[in-house]
This record gives sequence, structure tokens and C-alpha cells, in this order.
Amino acid sequence: EPEVTQTPSHQVTQMGQEVILRCVPISNHLYFYWYRQILGQKVEFLVSFYNNEISEKSEIFDDQFSVERPDGSNFTLKIRSTKLEDSAMYFCASSESGSTYGYTFGSGTRLTVV
Amino acid sequence: DQQVKQNSPSLSVQEGRISILNCDYTNSMFDYFLWYKKYPAEGPTFLISISSIKDKNEDGRFTVFLNKSAKHLSLHIVPSQPGDSAVYFCAALIQGAQKLVFGQGTRLTINP
Repeated sequence: EPEVTQTPSHQVTQMGQEVILRCVPISNHLYFYWYRQILGQKVEFLVSFYNNEISEKSEIFDDQFSVERPDGSNFTLKIRSTKLEDSAMYFCASSESGSTYGYTFGSGTRLTVV
Repeated sequence: DQQVKQNSPSLSVQEGRISILNCDYTNSMFDYFLWYKKYPAEGPTFLISISSIKDKNEDGRFTVFLNKSAKHLSLHIVPSQPGDSAVYFCAALIQGAQKLVFGQGTRLTINP
């Protein structure tokens, strides 16, 4: 069964450092997403990406965050200057035709900012 | 922002019995609802969904019921199996938008 692959599974970074989280969506999917889950809290939407541009973003997704699809297969989330409160599980997801039929999520990257 | 709420953080059910997970929402603009299941160290897995034009959708052991007037939905699992032990998330969206709004999750434990 096709799957969404995320690397690394765990990333530890110092506060103020830049971090890039990587995702390989399912190959025929057109919609891409990042969500995050802070420990003990709900899964929160960050951003959706379609046709090489951001289609929707949340208030969490401020200027410190950016997304890119650099080579047609990878989908990356960059945090420019990490803060302690960015520590969370970050989930990438992809969908063939938008949210209605459910996304396929990756296993997540646990980001720890120290 | 508590647009989607799952008020039971945990539920314990005996194997073979029915599991009922509940979810409430406040935003009347939501018109599509989904349930996801999550095991530790894995991402959420899509389980079942329902459009607001329906009140019931069934897929094998899983049935989702929607009560629009009460802004309430529930997921029924029958019979419950040990492999159903996981965290279950309710999610909602406005069709055409891309943002899923999740509840806090309910940890379901199926006891043998």
C-alpha cells in the first residue's frame, strides 16, 4: 500500500536554529499538508499546498514557517528560527483529491527544540 | 478554539462488545466529518467519513452516526477487537476548504 514517508523520525535542534522536515508524498497525489501535534494537545492544521502554491494556512503558520516542493517528489517544511514552543510531532499528509476522502498521513517527525 | 470536542479522553470496552466514541462540534458551517485512528509512533489513519446530507454511514464493523440538530456525531465499533485499541480522532471540515479541524482524541482500550 502506498505511503507517505517522513524523515527524520526524530530531530533535536537548538533554539534559534533552522530546521527542515522532509516528506515524500504518495506519487499521484496532488494536495499536500502539514499538521502538528504538541504533546497532549490536538492535531492542528498548519498549511495546505496545491499546484505549487500554498492554498490555505493557519495562524500558526507565520513568517518563521515555509513550505517547498523542490523537486517534484519531496515536500518540505522549514522553520527558520526554532522556538521551544515549536517542539511537537509534525505530520505530513497527502491527498489525491482534497480533504473529503481523507488524507494519508506519514508517521511524523518528532521535533525537540532545546 | 474548541470547534470540535471529544469529551471523553479515554474509554475501556470489553472485547466483543460495542465501542461508542462521541464527538461534538460547534461550527454549523462544517459539512463533512471524518474519523481517524492513531497508533503510537504512527500517523493518523483514515477510518470512515460522513457528509452532512446523511445521518449514517457504515463500513464493516464501523458505523458513523450524525445528528446535525444536536451537532453531534458518534462512531460505533461492533464487535470490538483488541486491534481496535488506539486513539480515535474526530475531524471536521467545510467542503472546498483544505483545513481539517480535529478533536482532542479518545484513547480506546479493548480488554480481552
